[in-house]
Amino acid sequence: DTGVSQDPRHKITKRGQNVTFRCDPISEHNRLYWYRQTLGQGPEFLTYFQNEAQLEKSRLLSDRFSAERPKGSFSTLEIQRTEQGDSAMYLCASSLRLSLAELNTGELFFGEGSRLTVL
Amino acid sequence: SQELEQSPQSLIVQEGKNLTINCTSSKTLYGLYWYKQKYGEGLIFLMMLQKGGEEKSHEKITAKLDEKKQQSSLHITASQPSHAGTYLCGADLNSGYSTLTFGKGTMLLVSP
Repeated sequence: DTGVSQDPRHKITKRGQNVTFRCDPISEHNRLYWYRQTLGQGPEFLTYFQNEAQLEKSRLLSDRFSAERPKGSFSTLEIQRTEQGDSAMYLCASSLRLSLAELNTGELFFGEGSRLTVL
Repeated sequence: SQELEQSPQSLIVQEGKNLTINCTSSKTLYGLYWYKQKYGEGLIFLMMLQKGGEEKSHEKITAKLDEKKQQSSLHITASQPSHAGTYLCGADLNSGYSTLTFGKGTMLLVSP
């Protein structure tokens, strides 16, 4: 399968612990996005990368959150000192955009998500 | 306030019936996308609409874009149990981020 893969699929942790999620995008895709989704809501944008550069971060991304995409391939999302409000599904998506001049986002290919439960 | 409003929030239809889901934007639309999501899973892309009046179909699902009204509709003909899930509209709103803004979704149940 050459789709977007995320790991782990489920994570249960205690408040105050750190967690890290990994996303492997579709191999030729240069853009990678992280979204957060809570029950009954649509996905909310967190951040995105063009190759290895983190180009945008949402105000939802507090200083406890950090994302990296060191070699322009896989990405990690780390949450430090987790809080119960961090419980959510964390979705990764990737896309191929040949030019920054392309105004539309284009089709995003989503992974299955990583569900985080903070006790 | 929500930039993309979807209606209805949920819908139960009998198998074989037609249904329509609406998505209305409070801002200018630069692109409108429809996705489907099954509970606990990722989003599956359905269709993308870019121009006013554009209409696309895939199997029994048709989506239309009314640019002037900043609105899109998704119509399912002769619904089947396989259509059940949550339908999400996403849009390029030029709201400061180069990514999609999503509505809250419409949950569809199809009863036999």
